[in-house]
Amino acid sequence: AQSVSQHNHHVILSEAASLELGCNYSYGGTVNLFWYVQYPGQHLQLLLKYFSGDPLVKGIKGFEAEFIKSKFSFNLRKPSVQWSDTAEYFCAVNARGNDMRFGAGTRLTVKP
Amino acid sequence: DAGVIQSPRHEVTEMGQEVTLRCKPISGHDYLFWYRQTMMRGLELLIYFNNNVPIDDSGMPEDRFSAKMPNASFSTLKIQPSEPRDSAVYFCASSFGGSTGELFFGEGSRLTVL
Repeated sequence: AQSVSQHNHHVILSEAASLELGCNYSYGGTVNLFWYVQYPGQHLQLLLKYFSGDPLVKGIKGFEAEFIKSKFSFNLRKPSVQWSDTAEYFCAVNARGNDMRFGAGTRLTVKP
Repeated sequence: DAGVIQSPRHEVTEMGQEVTLRCKPISGHDYLFWYRQTMMRGLELLIYFNNNVPIDDSGMPEDRFSAKMPNASFSTLKIQPSEPRDSAVYFCASSFGGSTGELFFGEGSRLTVL
């Protein structure tokens, strides 16, 4: 069955530290990949998405993600986090048309 | 546009009671999704509709759960009877053209079943 795995449940960083959140999926066909962010008390918002082309995708607020097909991965990165990046981050995969599956989420806490 | 609107934002009820959650998608969107978020299971897809027709309800936990979309601007998720393990945040999301594009989420309905 199609699944999405996020390796870290909770990540704690200090401001200005670099961030990398792992995401792997288990589907061998063509996939569309997404990262969503949920700030405390708010709804999920799209951070970035990959459909095709350049495997390095840039999103809002300085985030980027790299699609590595051979590793079935779509890791999220940011060179320097800010306190305002404290949120929960969800990786999502769409592989069969309209069936969007989400990972369990990674909670990021950035200490000022 | 006001975005996806869900109600109620919070619901506290007792076991055995019927719960109805409501969603108004963004005007013009042809897909509507219901998700459930819990600490243990993360974000789970329950059911989704295309042009008001249920397409995939394989994520609905059991017969106590039902969802309807009587028209393009309204959907309900009903739990009858409710149980404590149904406590979760229920999100509605809509999109144009399915989830290959961006899903727009509502604020969620936090359900607590005592």
